[in-house]
Amino acid sequence: AQTVTQSQPEMSVQEAETVTLSCTYDTSENNYYLFWYKQPPSRQMILVIRQEAYKQQNATENRFSVNFQKAAKSFSLKISDSQLGDTAMYFCAFTKNSGNTPLVFGKGTRLSVIA
Amino acid sequence: NAGVTQTPKFRVLKTGQSMTLLCAQDMNHEYMYWYRQDPGMGLRLIHYSVGEGTTAKGEVPDGYNVSRLKKQNFLLGLESAAPSQTSVYFCASSYFVSGNTIYFGEGSWLTVV
Repeated sequence: AQTVTQSQPEMSVQEAETVTLSCTYDTSENNYYLFWYKQPPSRQMILVIRQEAYKQQNATENRFSVNFQKAAKSFSLKISDSQLGDTAMYFCAFTKNSGNTPLVFGKGTRLSVIA
Repeated sequence: NAGVTQTPKFRVLKTGQSMTLLCAQDMNHEYMYWYRQDPGMGLRLIHYSVGEGTTAKGEVPDGYNVSRLKKQNFLLGLESAAPSQTSVYFCASSYFVSGNTIYFGEGSWLTVV
């Protein structure tokens, strides 16, 4: 079974600074997808970024980028120029590229952006 | 543009009572999911469906039943609620399972006393 580990339960960052959230996963699959979801205080789950394992290029979405290290099974999220609106829970998630296997989530990292 | 809609948003139940959470999606998605979210536990999959008339167990299915009689609806039932089922429940849907973006509802807060 696939597992996703987020080793940082809580983090904080000063406004305008850069922060990196860690995520590791365990799988024997070669083809899969990785995601970062954001959950602000409203509780709405919002997709931040998506990475396909067969693509070597790291995904980027405005101020959000990932460092995907396939051999190390690591998928960290970097938030640049942090804004107060980035304050949220962040979840890393994994799904295989075969079969009917829904997303598996990590336990989340609570990020606080401080003014 | 409704997306994924969950009802009710909030509910307080007494131990032993039953209830049904309704999830509706208007995106013609094949796949639908029920997750629960508890502090420090992330989101855990309860049950999911890969199409109308099908259901499958997830990571934490005990104490729950589901039905997918119509493609757009996915119902989650608690036959005899227990305090351990106090949680926030999220419904989600997607076109496919593997690799596809899933869209979440806004969550349903359930408290069992």
